[in-house]
Amino acid sequence: GAVVSQHPSRVICKSGTSVKIECRSLDFQATTMFWYRQFPKKSLMLMATSNEGSKATYEQGVEKDKFLINHASLTLSTLTVTSAHPEDSSFYICSVSSGHEQYFGPGTRLTVT
Amino acid sequence: TQLLEQSPQFLSIQEGENLTVYCNSSSVFSSLQWYRQEPGEGPVLLVTVVTGGEVKKLKRLTFQFGDARKDSSLHITAAQPGDTGLYLCAGALTGNQFYFGTGTSLTVIP
Repeated sequence: GAVVSQHPSRVICKSGTSVKIECRSLDFQATTMFWYRQFPKKSLMLMATSNEGSKATYEQGVEKDKFLINHASLTLSTLTVTSAHPEDSSFYICSVSSGHEQYFGPGTRLTVT
Repeated sequence: TQLLEQSPQFLSIQEGENLTVYCNSSSVFSSLQWYRQEPGEGPVLLVTVVTGGEVKKLKRLTFQFGDARKDSSLHITAAQPGDTGLYLCAGALTGNQFYFGTGTSLTVIP
């Protein structure tokens, strides 16, 4: 399966600042990557589909101006949480898909103080 | 509202017991996956089922995809403490976009 990395693994930021999370596909060229959000002991909620070279597709209820996604190459997608607030604190996970399967990064724990 | 509902939401059993986790939806999926996730880590793929009625076995784990491709089950035989984790089903509606189930948190007590 594909190997996916995320950076950083943990980040703490102050309310009002912006945070960028990187998702890299290390051994697979991904035209599409996915971003999920997960609250403690809850399932993953799909936030958006990141498309290489074009605009991301956001799920209903996800603010595209708050969660900026850039997919500039076949191996890198970034998620920027703008003007972060404590309620944005969560576990953010990206994935790449290959056929019927998808492979996940290790996740990024964001804490907004 | 999530497309896939899992039951039970929480399950705590003794080592050696058997268990079944269900994943149900009113939608038809082109494929369905089961994942296991440990705290602070990303989900790890266990199995993918594609054909209605398909049954796959992975050691002590048995996965079944419903005939209508709307539901699935995961059965674990003789559970071990190492099976503890969050079990997630995920279905693909069209293309490669996946939606996750509500999750089942399993604790196996030694």
